[in-house]
Amino acid sequence: DAGVIQSPRHEVTEMGQEVTLRCKPISGHDYLFWYRQTMMRGLELLIYFNNNVPIDDSGMPEDRFSAKMPNASFSTLKIQPSEPRDSAVYFCASRGLAGYEQYFGPGTRLTVT
Amino acid sequence: GESVGLHLPTLSVQEGDNSIINCAYSNSASDYFIWYKQESGKGPQFIIDIRSNMDKRQGQRVTVLLNKTVKHLSLQIAATQPGDSAVYFCAEDSGNTPLVFGKGTRLSVIA
Repeated sequence: DAGVIQSPRHEVTEMGQEVTLRCKPISGHDYLFWYRQTMMRGLELLIYFNNNVPIDDSGMPEDRFSAKMPNASFSTLKIQPSEPRDSAVYFCASRGLAGYEQYFGPGTRLTVT
Repeated sequence: GESVGLHLPTLSVQEGDNSIINCAYSNSASDYFIWYKQESGKGPQFIIDIRSNMDKRQGQRVTVLLNKTVKHLSLQIAATQPGDSAVYFCAEDSGNTPLVFGKGTRLSVIA
């Protein structure tokens, strides 16, 4: 398996623009997690899905953030409109039903100018 | 050890020495713990795990110790190598699905 795949790896955009981050979890995994990592706040859980259904989105900062999982092999995290304070590395992780370990993707480094 | 606040604690170790990274976890009901390693520009990667019914588990060059009495977890790395330089996170599972991650400790290996 190729592991968790994220795209793009780097994104630079201007304030006010829409940003869409993409994730393909490991095949067969039932859970998908979106995290944000900054120097100031560390690794923060934004939202997670079980069988494509959002279970807990309490970590989503505000209404500008939205996430979808239309099928078991694809999820998006969208920021509209983006702001400079959204600059961070965004990680996607997935997990199987039986285990506890979460497998992380390589991350998307977002810079909003 | 775990950071309290905004600064990531740093552990500097001479190459070849042993490293000990500490973590204080929050939930006494947690029954599963994982150590992750995050190298620069990469996502966190699994190193080793331990269940709450154990107090020690060994892997290749790494050992995790669990002290439930004081809610303390440690990661020991034997014969530390330059490739061990990274940020190390402990994570706990208390039965709620998402792991709860600590703030991390930066390990810097001096060649």
